[in-house]
Amino acid sequence: DAGVIQSPRHEVTEMGQEVTLRCKPISGHDYLFWYRQTMMRGLELLIYFNNNVPIDDSGMPEDRFSAKMPNASFSTLKIQPSEPRDSAVYFCASSLGTGETEAFFGQGTRLTVV
Amino acid sequence: TQLLEQSPQFLSIQEGENLTVYCNSSSVFSSLQWYRQEPGEGPVLLVTVVTGGEVKKLKRLTFQFGDARKDSSLHITAAQPGDTGLYLCAGADNQGGKLIFGQGTELSVKP
Repeated sequence: DAGVIQSPRHEVTEMGQEVTLRCKPISGHDYLFWYRQTMMRGLELLIYFNNNVPIDDSGMPEDRFSAKMPNASFSTLKIQPSEPRDSAVYFCASSLGTGETEAFFGQGTRLTVV
Repeated sequence: TQLLEQSPQFLSIQEGENLTVYCNSSSVFSSLQWYRQEPGEGPVLLVTVVTGGEVKKLKRLTFQFGDARKDSSLHITAAQPGDTGLYLCAGADNQGGKLIFGQGTELSVKP
């Protein structure tokens, strides 16, 4: 398996524009996680899915953020409208379970909002 | 809210030195994991510790889980430049098991 695949790797957009980040988890993994990483706040969990169903979205900063998982092999994280403070590296991860189960991370999307 | 605090935040040492990174919490965790992240990449799992007092070794890296399962440490012996990276501890919260990460320790090993 190629691992967790995220696209794009880099995204530069203007404030107010819509941004869509994409993730393809490892086949057979039932859990998918979206994280955001910044120097100030470290790695924060935004939302996670189990079998395509959102389980916990308490980390989503505000209504401008939304995430979907239409099928087991694809998920999106959308920011609309984007703001400069959304600039960060966004990671997608997948795993067979939670708890002590290993999480496999993608290479991340570096988002810059100017 | 369960929190994991790592120390130190930054560590710069010379090749061959030993170092210890700490991960502490006021909460009990059923398990703790250690990840390593290189620039431009996602974190990669190094080890999972499950039992209080457990010690695991991975070549020059020694991981320990506290007896009370509230803390963990990572000790590196004879550090090498290839050990440079961000070390993250992570624990599963008690509600649903989602992974919570510490802030990380940025390690730089100079030749």
